[in-house]
Amino acid sequence: QVQLEESGGGVVQPGGSLRLSCAASGFTFSSFGMHWVRQAPGKGLEWLAVISSDGSNKFYADSVKGRFTISRDNSKNTMFLQMSTLKTDDTAVYYCARDMATGPISGDFDFWGQGTLVPVSS
Amino acid sequence: QSALTQPASVSGSPGQSISISCTGTSSDVGGYYLVSWYQQHPGKAPKLLIHDVTKRSSGISYRFSGSKSANTASLTISGLQAEDEADYYCYSYAGSNTWVFGGGTKLSVL
Repeated sequence: QVQLEESGGGVVQPGGSLRLSCAASGFTFSSFGMHWVRQAPGKGLEWLAVISSDGSNKFYADSVKGRFTISRDNSKNTMFLQMSTLKTDDTAVYYCARDMATGPISGDFDFWGQGTLVPVSS
Repeated sequence: QSALTQPASVSGSPGQSISISCTGTSSDVGGYYLVSWYQQHPGKAPKLLIHDVTKRSSGISYRFSGSKSANTASLTISGLQAEDEADYYCYSYAGSNTWVFGGGTKLSVL
């Protein structure tokens, strides 16, 4: 069965950096685009970034462009989100999610991880 | 990439029908036939209900339907059931390989 498991969350100070990981299993990881989505406590969902199945294409929301970097290692079935220059507004649960289509990115998600909490606080 | 506009809350009685609106611009909702709807129960990951404006995701009840007119999309839930009580998010392609969510709507089944 498809499983996505985020890790790497934890308290970080404003201005700091953190790398999140998303370990995938139960499907051919290298065939699917992957996304990061976050949800601030008590707030709505925010799409952050997507990476194509082969890692050659990466796209970001304006709110994180230049500060966050999405990447993947298909040999290890793992996706990453490198976050830098973190702000208190970045406090959220960060989810990884699988794009529902193989091939070209559809933008929709069919499987999600359980999320990892990143509090940004001094 | 501004968040799409949804009502903060809607409510209905069991058996009734409700609609949730999602208003964007010609750069997102109005510009593409690529609007989706997600349902999220407390403490759970979101679940895809509708994609491409009107297409129900696999296993989703016929009670859920989507539509779009100009810059506003809508999700209609007919025959409301207690288990429909959840948060609902619209989501649209916004051009240049970016996407945007709505602010979310809390549905209460009275």
